[in-house]
Amino acid sequence: DAMVIQNPRYQVTQFGKPVTLSCSQTLNHNVMYWYQQKSSQAPKLLFHYYDKDFNNEADTPDNFQSRRPNTSFCFLDIRSPGLGDAAMYLCATGPGTGRTQYFGPGTRLLVL
Amino acid sequence: GEDVEQSLFLSVREGDSSVINCTYTDSSSTYLYWYKQEPGAGLQLLTYIFSNMDMKQDQRLTVLLNKKDKHLSLRIADTQTGDSAIYFCAESIESGGSNYKLTFGKGTLLTVNP
Repeated sequence: DAMVIQNPRYQVTQFGKPVTLSCSQTLNHNVMYWYQQKSSQAPKLLFHYYDKDFNNEADTPDNFQSRRPNTSFCFLDIRSPGLGDAAMYLCATGPGTGRTQYFGPGTRLLVL
Repeated sequence: GEDVEQSLFLSVREGDSSVINCTYTDSSSTYLYWYKQEPGAGLQLLTYIFSNMDMKQDQRLTVLLNKKDKHLSLRIADTQTGDSAIYFCAESIESGGSNYKLTFGKGTLLTVNP
């Protein structure tokens, strides 16, 4: 089945220790998105890739970076995680011509 | 501006209908979505409606759109305990070029009581 896969599902890191979250897709979609969702809040878009074009949201902290080495994979790098970065991180994909987004199961990040 | 509002909680009895309401502000939204999120999980696309429609039905789900009032609702018929989850309303808006982004409401927690 075509799908969006996120690894790991749970990630524990230490304050200030870089961490990378992974997303892959078998949908062959042009667009890949990263969202941050804190407890009892709506998902907040951090950035997205349209093919290789990176689009950063204006209020996304510099601490968050992303890489998309090919169509199938996209990574979220948090350079120096703080306690406030503990959240669920959701990856989504979408076809370039459409607007519908399909989400992965998320990675829950805990910062100690 | 971009703002999507939903009531935060809804509680119903099993077998009753549930109606979750949403208002949005961007009149240029062309697609509106309902997503379901179960505890600890990602967002599952339930249904969407194009802005030139006023109703869409898909099995137990009925979406009503009042574009004049910018009001969207999701009705779940014969609600089951498995429908207990958070339901997010979202609007799709253009963010430059051919880029679109979703703006979500805060979500409505639906609790279904046996």
